[in-house]
Amino acid sequence: ILNVEQSPQSLHVQEGDSTNFTCSFPSSNFYALHWYRWETAKSPEALFVMTLNGDEKKKGRISATLNTKEGYSYLYIKGSQPEDSATYLCAFPGRGGSQGNLIFGKGTKLSVKP
Amino acid sequence: DAGITQSPRHKVTETGTPVTLRCHQTENHRYMYWYRQDPGHGLRLIHYSYGVKDTDKGEVSDGYSVSRSKTEDFLLTLESATSSQTSVYFCAISWGSTEKLFFGSGTQLSVL
Repeated sequence: ILNVEQSPQSLHVQEGDSTNFTCSFPSSNFYALHWYRWETAKSPEALFVMTLNGDEKKKGRISATLNTKEGYSYLYIKGSQPEDSATYLCAFPGRGGSQGNLIFGKGTKLSVKP
Repeated sequence: DAGITQSPRHKVTETGTPVTLRCHQTENHRYMYWYRQDPGHGLRLIHYSYGVKDTDKGEVSDGYSVSRSKTEDFLLTLESATSSQTSVYFCAISWGSTEKLFFGSGTQLSVL
């Protein structure tokens, strides 16, 4: 069974702090790595889809890097704000690869205190 | 909103009854997915579809079946609901695993 691991499970930071968390995935047969943001009582929303080793993506204060050879991706948030409080999920294609069988990690729950 | 509608939004049913959840899209995406969300487990894939009449099992497919007779509709059926199937069910669509998923609003299902 494919494993997508995220760490830490939860994170509590103060407003203005910068933070980062990790997604680990199998390094063989890489197709893509997804990041999603999931606010309480809402649906997950896509942040990034990364496909190339060394890829770096940025959206406002949030950025992500990808290392396919060692099987990890980092998500960074610069200057966290209370509205960044959410669960951040990564996902990786499992059995079937590019056929779309996306497996999610359990997420990192971020709480930003004002 | 990516043009995905899940119905019903909420359902309460009794153990042993059949239940069908519907996911409807207006975006013509090829891939459709059903996930369930449970505390401590995050999102787990139940079944997915990569085209009309083309479906495959996910991580937690036991007790569920799906059908996709047309591009826009993906049905999830619990043949005989059990209390362990109480969950929030999310439908999602995409062009493929290298493309973003767009999620529906979710269906809260309670099996008593």
